[in-house]
Amino acid sequence: DVKVTQSSRYLVKRTGEKVFLECVQDMDHENMFWYRQDPGLGLRLIYFSYDVKMKEKGDIPEGYSVSREKKERFSLILESASTNQTSMYLCASSLPGNLKAFFGQGTRLTVV
Amino acid sequence: AQSVTQLDSQVPVFEEAPVELRCNYSSSVSVYLFWYVQYPNQGLQLLLKYLSGSTLVKGINGFEAEFNKSQTSFHLRKPSVHISDTAEYFCAVSVWKTSYDKVIFGPGTSLSVIP
Repeated sequence: DVKVTQSSRYLVKRTGEKVFLECVQDMDHENMFWYRQDPGLGLRLIYFSYDVKMKEKGDIPEGYSVSREKKERFSLILESASTNQTSMYLCASSLPGNLKAFFGQGTRLTVV
Repeated sequence: AQSVTQLDSQVPVFEEAPVELRCNYSSSVSVYLFWYVQYPNQGLQLLLKYLSGSTLVKGINGFEAEFNKSQTSFHLRKPSVHISDTAEYFCAVSVWKTSYDKVIFGPGTSLSVIP
């Protein structure tokens, strides 16, 4: 089975901190995605990557950046965390054209 | 641009009753359609997908969905729900680009099955 692993289930960070969320997949998928999930808004795409060192902005990239140095790892970076970035963050991966995404279990980030 | 609407944010239903979760989408190009389920404290998993062919798609756990192009809908149905179906359900659309596919999710419908 495909496994997408997010490094933390729960994180609490202070306003202004630099925050790293890590995601690793073990099935050699080219595509990787970062979403945030908020009640009533569903999943909103922050960034995605379709190859190593390649990245594309999603719908809400402001305040975030990403890094994909290796195929299996896709990191989401909050340059200076703010309280409005308190959310559930979901990582996903897929093969190109496969259109079936596999999700990690999510990281619930609280910024205080 | 594509968008997805799920008209019902919460759907309570009694155990063994039928359920329909509604999904409508808008797009100027052909899209692929999906339903994902998220059980409490878990990530999302694919229930079913429509890419082409028969408009009635069957998925896991007894769910099915029907693609209606004229109404731009992709409603999810189950004839008899179980307690274990209590979860958040997301409708999604995807457009295949030249080198990647972008998936857009609806806001979700919370299904609560009442014993």
